[in-house]
Amino acid sequence: EAGVAQSPRYKIIEKRQSVAFWCNPISGHATLYWYQQILGQGPKLLIQFQNNGVVDDSQLPKDRFSAERLKGVDSTLKIQPAKLEDSAVYLCASSAYRGYGYTFGSGTRLTVV
Amino acid sequence: GESVGLHLPTLSVQEGDNSIINCAYSNSASDYFIWYKQESGKGPQFIIDIRSNMDKRQGQRVTVLLNKTVKHLSLQIAATQPGDSAVYFCAENGAGNMLTFGGGTRLMVKP
Repeated sequence: EAGVAQSPRYKIIEKRQSVAFWCNPISGHATLYWYQQILGQGPKLLIQFQNNGVVDDSQLPKDRFSAERLKGVDSTLKIQPAKLEDSAVYLCASSAYRGYGYTFGSGTRLTVV
Repeated sequence: GESVGLHLPTLSVQEGDNSIINCAYSNSASDYFIWYKQESGKGPQFIIDIRSNMDKRQGQRVTVLLNKTVKHLSLQIAATQPGDSAVYFCAENGAGNMLTFGGGTRLMVKP
């Protein structure tokens, strides 16, 4: 079974620029999650999708972050404009059932300078 | 500037010894708990899970103990190996069927 694919692996941008991350979940997994992991901390949930609908985005800074999951498969997470404090690893995870059996991708490491 | 995060607690053990990593969770209504291992440059990897109707669950070389009275979770690793060196996170499945992660513990195994 192929894992959760994420790209790019690394990204360096200047503050106020925009950036997008892509995630391809495990085939058949209805639930997809985006997490932000700041250095030295545990992952923090940003948004949860069930198929192509948003289940929870209460911790997503909506003034600069957006996410979509068209057709209920791949997902993109965008930051515009980026701030220094957005430097983190952005992890995508998927599961067949909400809350159970998460599989994480390797993440995208974002550095904002 | 340098990003500042919480300083991870570190557990240093000798190869072959047993390791115990502890975690306090926050939501008394959480019904499912998971331990994850995260190596440098990788995403969290599932180790073992436990439901709230159990006190103990064993896997291969790992055991998870759950004490709901004091909202405490522990991970025991038997005969710790150098490959066990990583950061370990506990996570709880609480409201909204979403995983909330703890702060993590770094395990260092000395050969």
